[in-house]
Amino acid sequence: QVQLVESGGGVVQPGRSLRLSCAASGFTFSTYAMHWVRQAPGKGLEWVAFISYDETITYYADSVKGRFTISRDNSKNTLSLQVNSLRPEDTAVYYCARGPLYSYDSRGTFDIWGQGTMVTVSS
Amino acid sequence: QLVLTQSPSASASLGASVKLTCTLSSGHSSYAIAWHQQQPEKGPRYLMKVNSDGSHIKGDGIPDRFSGSTSGAERYLTISSLQSEDEADYYCQTWGTDIQVFGGGTKVTVL
Repeated sequence: QVQLVESGGGVVQPGRSLRLSCAASGFTFSTYAMHWVRQAPGKGLEWVAFISYDETITYYADSVKGRFTISRDNSKNTLSLQVNSLRPEDTAVYYCARGPLYSYDSRGTFDIWGQGTMVTVSS
Repeated sequence: QLVLTQSPSASASLGASVKLTCTLSSGHSSYAIAWHQQQPEKGPRYLMKVNSDGSHIKGDGIPDRFSGSTSGAERYLTISSLQSEDEADYYCQTWGTDIQVFGGGTKVTVL
């Protein structure tokens, strides 16, 4: 079935880095735009980053611009998020989500979500 | 600035109906939105897209008792015949060419 499975979360000290992954299955990953969305404990959803289906276009929320990098490997059906210079306010569950087919921009909804991976930034 | 506004909470009795509202910011009343459900301790689940003309497109397997509608800058999600499993947080979402925006979410309690 169509599925997204995140991994790579953990507890990390402020200023350190982490790489999150999202394994896609059950659909042609290379034809869909993808996003990362996060949710701080007890808070709402916050969009983080977008990547086009062919990885040529990326967009970021202002809160992570310059620190986070979204990428994908269409040969391995994998989406990644490199998170650098982590801050306590980056503590959240990070979800990957599927965007529209053959999309070059951020327009459109997310129709498939993963179950999330928790990142805790603490000294 | 593209902003979505939701009421923090709503409640209704088992078997009754509840209507949730998502309001688009000034100048954005023509935008489509999407609704997502998040049950406790779970990831979000896509429910439907609601267009400015009131038409809506539901996700796979979403029951008929979930429906969407529109009035001006307001987008609605109506849940009929409330079930205990409908107790969840509901988020609306919209988008621009380089941005995605979520509402603050509405917590639905089934009495």
